[in-house]
Amino acid sequence: DIQMTQSPSSLPASLGERVTISCRASQGISNNLNWYQQKPDGTIKPLIYYTSNLQSGVPSRFSGSGSGTDYSLTISSLEPEDFAMYYCQQDASFPDTFGAGTKLELK
Amino acid sequence: QVKLLQSGAALVKPGASVKMSCKASGYTFTDYWVSWVKQSHGKSLEWIGEIYPNSGATNFNEKFKGKATLTVDKSTSTAYMELSRLTSEDSAIYYCTRRDFYYYSSHGAYWGQGTLVTVSS
Repeated sequence: DIQMTQSPSSLPASLGERVTISCRASQGISNNLNWYQQKPDGTIKPLIYYTSNLQSGVPSRFSGSGSGTDYSLTISSLEPEDFAMYYCQQDASFPDTFGAGTKLELK
Repeated sequence: QVKLLQSGAALVKPGASVKMSCKASGYTFTDYWVSWVKQSHGKSLEWIGEIYPNSGATNFNEKFKGKATLTVDKSTSTAYMELSRLTSEDSAIYYCTRRDFYYYSSHGAYWGQGTLVTVSS
């Protein structure tokens, strides 16, 4: 199985700050990389699919980039509702695998 | 709008089985794969498997073969997952998701609210 390594595991940040979360695959995944947000109540919401495509309804402050084995999720200016867990997922190779998650916390 | 409504929390004894449901609405149920994902307490997500309601075809993560059984009821647009021979390792929140495709890629575009399964005597 492809291993997904996310960093950092915890990210303290302030409102209005620009932040980036990284995800590295154990082998090339040809842009088959998705990002999800999970709120404390357990609700999971898709943010970005196929590296850089914004899911419908997701604010434009979210963006994704990357290629090969290295990918990132950027939030351009943090809003209060952005403090949550974030997971990357690859679907290039069966089975789909997820990163360990990044907890975005209010500094 | 698309919704996936999952069944409520379950408390089950070790060695028993549990069957949970995921009722879809707002789209043609038979047109999309439904995947299931496990989240153990405080941990990340694991992809269990998926089912295509139109044909009943399934794919499983090797880790969950023999543990999970996936079925659907097309008449009620409901997907089911049954977990057997439960142990404490099966205590987790289980999510169903609708898999949407984009060229050769796919992702969970819609998620249920999750079903908490607690295995305890």
